[in-house]
Amino acid sequence: EDKVVQSPLSLVVHEGDTVTLNCSYEVTNFRSLLWYKQEKKAPTFLFMLTSSGIEKKSGRLSSILDKKELSSILNITATQTGDSAIYLCAAYGAGSYQLTFGKGTKLSVIP
Amino acid sequence: GAVVSQHPSWVICKSGTSVKIECRSLDFQATTMFWYRQFPKQSLMLMATSNEGSKATYEQGVEKDKFLINHASLTLSTLTVTSAHPEDSSFYICSALQGDQGNQPQHFGDGTRLSIL
Repeated sequence: EDKVVQSPLSLVVHEGDTVTLNCSYEVTNFRSLLWYKQEKKAPTFLFMLTSSGIEKKSGRLSSILDKKELSSILNITATQTGDSAIYLCAAYGAGSYQLTFGKGTKLSVIP
Repeated sequence: GAVVSQHPSWVICKSGTSVKIECRSLDFQATTMFWYRQFPKQSLMLMATSNEGSKATYEQGVEKDKFLINHASLTLSTLTVTSAHPEDSSFYICSALQGDQGNQPQHFGDGTRLSIL
C-alpha cells in the first residue's frame, strides 16, 4: 500500500524564522511529488517535483526532491503570519492518477 | 489558470434530504475529477474518481448508492449525498486533473461544508 509520511505534524515558529517541512514516501513506481497549502478551504497547489535534485522556487518557498532518500523538503524563509496553514504532501504512482496524501504539517507562525 | 469552482460552499439541511454538490473546471477541460472527504484535523480521504462519460470508481468502504457521482461533461462533475444523515456531515472537496494523467497537478475546489441536522 502506498504511503506518504510528513513530519513534523505541527510546528510553531515566530515571524521571520525559516522552517523546513519533511515528506517521505513509499509509492510503487513513484512518478512525482506535490506540495499543497491548505488554509481554511481546500488545498492550493504549490509545487510538483518529478526530478531529483532540482529545486523549485516560488518567492520565499522552495522545494526539492531526493529520489534516493524517497523524500522531499519544503522550505519557507522569513516566515509571515500568512504562511500559517496546513501543508500537504502527496505523491503520484505510475499508472495511476490518484494522489496519496500525507497527514499534513500544521504550521503556525506567531508575530 | 486552472481554476476549479465548487458549489455550494456551505449547506445545512435536515436528515433524510439529498444534497447535490457541483464541481466545475472553469478554464480547462477535465476528463477526470476526484471527490474527497475531510474530517476535522485529518488529511483528505479519496472517495471516488469521476471520469467523464463513464461510471465513477469508488474507493473501498464508500457506498456508491449513498454518494452518487455524475460526470456528464468535461467541465462538470456532481456529487449527490442521498438521504443524508448526521454522520454524513463533513467537508467535501473536489479536484480536477488538468492534462495527462499524473503529469499535471490536481487542482482543488474550495470545498463544501455539509452539516446535517
